[in-house]
Amino acid sequence: DGGITQSPKYLFRKEGQNVTLSCEQNLNHDAMYWYRQDPGQGLRLIYYSQIVNDFQKGDIAEGYSVSREKKESFPLTVTSAQKNPTAFYLCASGLGVTNTGELFFGEGSRLTVL
Amino acid sequence: GENVEQHPSTLSVQEGDSAVIKCTYSDSASNYFPWYKQELGKGPQLIIDIRSNVGEKKDQRIAVTLNKTAKHFSLHITETQPEDSAVYFCAASNFGNEKLTFGTGTRLTIIP
Repeated sequence: DGGITQSPKYLFRKEGQNVTLSCEQNLNHDAMYWYRQDPGQGLRLIYYSQIVNDFQKGDIAEGYSVSREKKESFPLTVTSAQKNPTAFYLCASGLGVTNTGELFFGEGSRLTVL
Repeated sequence: GENVEQHPSTLSVQEGDSAVIKCTYSDSASNYFPWYKQELGKGPQLIIDIRSNVGEKKDQRIAVTLNKTAKHFSLHITETQPEDSAVYFCAASNFGNEKLTFGTGTRLTIIP
């Protein structure tokens, strides 16, 4: 089935540890995005990429890093510099706003830092 | 940058009644306004969108209206059903800009 796969679904880490969240898509989409979801704050954009080997900071990029070495993959690393990393993380892909603008989301990864 | 406000944060309606969720945006350059539905434990899914060259769009029981002058847009769900219970997000962007700004979400509960 075509879609976006995020893993792991749940992740527990100790404070001070880096953690990498995986996002893979088989929709042949050029654009990929990472959002953070917190209660009462909606979805906030962390990083996005419109093409392989290129990415841009979103509104809350501090303490996060990404790479885009393959079209299908856009992993997010939550570093120890992120002050409040416990959250629900959503990955999305799209054809790009020059097309329909629709984003296709994965089912999310819930990160809890102890 | 763009700022999107969404109201109410929670909404309960009797099954069969209508539900309305409202959003306002700040950037007059925004011209694309999608609505996403997020069911429990899943990622958001697009349910309807509107571009600034139209004032209203309808798809079966759901409709979206846009008032560019007042910079607000609304989601209308008629004849609500239990499966409409979810969190709904509005969003806005300038269609030439990759950044989609989301509202804070509305948790809609349909009471049987």
